[in-house]
Amino acid sequence: EVHLVESGGGLVQPGGSLRLSCAAFGFTFSNSWMSWVRQAPGKGLEWVASIKQDGSDKYYVDSVKGRFTISKDNAKNSLYLQMNSLRAEDTAFYYCARGGSYFGSWGQGTLVTVSS
Amino acid sequence: DIQMTQSPSTLSASVGDRVTITCRASQSISSWLAWYQQKPGKAPKLLVYKASSLESGVPSRFSGSGSGTEFTLTISSLQPDDFATYYCQQYIDFPWTFGQGTKVEIK
Repeated sequence: EVHLVESGGGLVQPGGSLRLSCAAFGFTFSNSWMSWVRQAPGKGLEWVASIKQDGSDKYYVDSVKGRFTISKDNAKNSLYLQMNSLRAEDTAFYYCARGGSYFGSWGQGTLVTVSS
Repeated sequence: DIQMTQSPSTLSASVGDRVTITCRASQSISSWLAWYQQKPGKAPKLLVYKASSLESGVPSRFSGSGSGTEFTLTISSLQPDDFATYYCQQYIDFPWTFGQGTKVEIK
């Protein structure tokens, strides 16, 4: 059974940094595109970034380009999102998801709050 | 960016009702559309991909149709477990974009 577990969320001041992690279980991680999708509290879903199986290609929504970096460690079955220069509008639940186009499995989400 | 617009935003229905949710794309996306269900406090769950392909394990009362710019998600007989928010998502062109959601409420 596919299982995705996010960690690393928390409260951070504007301009600060945070690194999210996602541990993957139950499927061949090295063969999978992976993505991050976020949801501001009470709002809709927003795709953030996707990474190809071997990490060679990465795609981002414009609002995070240059600030966020997606990466994956296939040896550790783990996905990451390095978030720098955080803004209040980045406050959201961040979900790790399997897939690079549509998302067949999701983690439970981790909350990132950007506030002073 | 491709804009996805769902209607209605909220839908009130009773158990046993046939329910249809519409999703329109700002340009043709062929059949590159997915539908998700989300319950409060939970992660979204994939229901349909490629406009009409039912994800494994999803009840057959759910069905998707459409191509080009207009798509529908139909629940043939609404069950108590189906009261949730539903989202469409296009994946023909980055950035992938979602509709704003349709909340299905108990009438």
